[in-house]
Amino acid sequence: QQPVQSPQAVILREGEDAVINCSSSKALYSVHWYRQKHGEAPVFLMILLKGGEQKGHDKISASFNEKKQQSSLYLTASQLSYSGTYFCGTAVNYGQNFVFGPGTRLSVLP
Amino acid sequence: DAGVIQSPRHEVTEMGQEVTLRCKPISGHNSLFWYRQTMMRGLELLIYFNNNVPIDDSGMPEDRFSAKMPNASFSTLKIQPSEPRDSAVYFCASSLRGQGAHQPQHFGDGTRLSIL
Repeated sequence: QQPVQSPQAVILREGEDAVINCSSSKALYSVHWYRQKHGEAPVFLMILLKGGEQKGHDKISASFNEKKQQSSLYLTASQLSYSGTYFCGTAVNYGQNFVFGPGTRLSVLP
Repeated sequence: DAGVIQSPRHEVTEMGQEVTLRCKPISGHNSLFWYRQTMMRGLELLIYFNNNVPIDDSGMPEDRFSAKMPNASFSTLKIQPSEPRDSAVYFCASSLRGQGAHQPQHFGDGTRLSIL
């Protein structure tokens, strides 16, 4: 079952913050986040495992709420380089089907 | 370090022809994934190998598609016969361990396939 991402698209000005959500109808074992720039391959950002952990990478961080079966990606003080499509990927068990969400298109304007 | 290598980068062929896409995973990675990406359907997992063995091929669209991994450093995705609706970008990715695990997937640059 494909996870649901929201919003579908968001437009920001440089320096603004954004939150991208990823939710599933099933209990999740792990959530992966990837970013894909136009014409390029997806690039790994971070992985979160069940346990409600939060991770950060520079000004991009994420949380995983296993009770809500939801993960959120936080982009703080966005930069032009943050533009792209963000995908979450979810797995309900280790080694089980891994499915990418439909993506959230983020555009950061100067 | 070399990443995942895919070839060709672009392929344009006529309907009915056989198409073979190639992938060399990162050395030491034992899981390999083939994805198809289109505007309409997004990023779809076609097949997943672990230690050269196909584990999940439920995403393979139909019998026209086949994938092999004869050894740890090479995989092919074949479409025969090809149809215009197969036009898409095909990505290969590899990881240290299987799906949903603690390891990220590393993607190749993709093959942009156009079937006329």
